[in-house]
Amino acid sequence: EAGVAQSPRYKIIEKRQSVAFWCNPISGHATLYWYQQILGQGPKLLIQFQNNGVVDDSQLPKDRFSAERLKGVDSTLKIQPAKLEDSAVYLCASSLSSSGANVLTFGAGSRLTVL
Amino acid sequence: AQSVTQLDSHVSVSEGTPVLLRCNYSSSYSPSLFWYVQHPNKGLQLLLKYTSAATLVKGINGFEAEFKKSETSFHLTKPSAHMSDAAEYFCVVSVGNTPLVFGKGTRLSVIA
Repeated sequence: EAGVAQSPRYKIIEKRQSVAFWCNPISGHATLYWYQQILGQGPKLLIQFQNNGVVDDSQLPKDRFSAERLKGVDSTLKIQPAKLEDSAVYLCASSLSSSGANVLTFGAGSRLTVL
Repeated sequence: AQSVTQLDSHVSVSEGTPVLLRCNYSSSYSPSLFWYVQHPNKGLQLLLKYTSAATLVKGINGFEAEFKKSETSFHLTKPSAHMSDAAEYFCVVSVGNTPLVFGKGTRLSVIA
C-alpha cells in the first residue's frame, strides 16, 4: 500500500513569511495527525483529525498555526506568520481510528527552516 | 497524564554486541507502549507495541521489549547490533484514546 505522502520535503523562509504543508494519508485511514519535531526532541502533537473533524488541537498555537482536512482525506497545515522557533520537522501520520492502541504510519516529514 | 522517560540520550555499541535502550513510563491506567525508530531523513517506523497481551513483545529486525509493571519499564533490547540499527529510537505511551506521548529519543550509534 502507498504510504503517507507529504510535501514539500524542505522549505526555507524568512521570519514573518507564511508556509503551507500538505499531507495525504493512507487510503481508508480515518484519523490524521500533525506532529512538530524540534531538533533533539521527540515529536509533539499539534492537531488530530477524525475524518474532517478536529479531535485535539490543544497544543496548536492558534494565533499562527491553522490546519484543515475539509473532505476527510488530505490535510494542509499552515503557519502565518512564521517565527524562528517554528524551525522543525512537521510530521504527518495516519491511523485507522483514534484508539490509542492503533499503530500510526508516519510520512517522511517536511523540514522547515525559518531565517 | 501519562509520560515516558528515556534514560539515555545516546548509546554507543560495537557491532555484534547487545543493545539496551531504556524507557520508564508513568501512567495512571493500563498503557499501550510502543517503540518507534527514525532513520535519518526518513519517517518514523514502528518497531513493536505492547497492548496488555504478552509482556514480552517481539518486533521487527530482531528487537524485543519487556513490559514490567512493577518497575514501570519498557526497555528495548537486541542480542546483536548491526550497522543498519544506527538511528534514533523513541519510546511512546498512550492511554485509551489519548494522543501518543513521545519520549525525547535515544540516539544509537553502532561502531564497526
